[in-house]
Amino acid sequence: AQKITQTQPGMFVQEKEAVTLDCTYDTSDPSYGLFWYKQPSSGEMIFLIYQGSYDQQNATEGRYSLNFQKARKSANLVISASQLGDSAMYFCAMRGGPGGGADGLTFGKGTHLIIQP
Amino acid sequence: GAGVSQSPSNKVTEKGKDVELRCDPISGHTALYWYRQSLGQGLEFLIYFQGNSAPDKSGLPSDRFSAERTGGSVSTLTIQRTQQEDSAVYLCASSLGPAGTAYEQYFGPGTRLTVT
Repeated sequence: AQKITQTQPGMFVQEKEAVTLDCTYDTSDPSYGLFWYKQPSSGEMIFLIYQGSYDQQNATEGRYSLNFQKARKSANLVISASQLGDSAMYFCAMRGGPGGGADGLTFGKGTHLIIQP
Repeated sequence: GAGVSQSPSNKVTEKGKDVELRCDPISGHTALYWYRQSLGQGLEFLIYFQGNSAPDKSGLPSDRFSAERTGGSVSTLTIQRTQQEDSAVYLCASSLGPAGTAYEQYFGPGTRLTVT
């Protein structure tokens, strides 16, 4: 079974600082993918970044980067130069490999990030 | 282009009644997923449709829950004899490619179901 652990239920960060949101995972599937989603108070789930288990380089998307440490089963999200609009819930999620039997995403409990001016 | 749409946005129903929730995925997306988000359980996968293949129903919590996808497009999630523990936000997502691939899932705005 797949499991995602996010150990930070809430975080307060000063505007313009960088922030790291922790995510560890557990799976026996050699092929898997890791996603980060943002959920503002309005409720929509917004895709941020994706990392495949065989990707050699850490994924980056604008101000978002994923610190992927495969041996430690860690996939932390780093947001550089945080902005007030970054305040939201952030979810780490995992998908299995093709035919792996785990068709849906497995989500962590989320981290509530609040950016302070 | 249009994103994933869901209706209704809010539904209040009495315990024991049946409800139907609708999802209209992004045009051309072959994969469709239903999830449930509640305070106690977080985000849970319910069911997955890929093209015309038999759906993966492994996440459905009980036989009161069922879903269908007509013509490979619109999907309806039906909850029979609703219980108070069914109160949650039901999220639909679609993706361009099948499960187990790198294609991200695009989520709809959700249907907030309240069972009184």
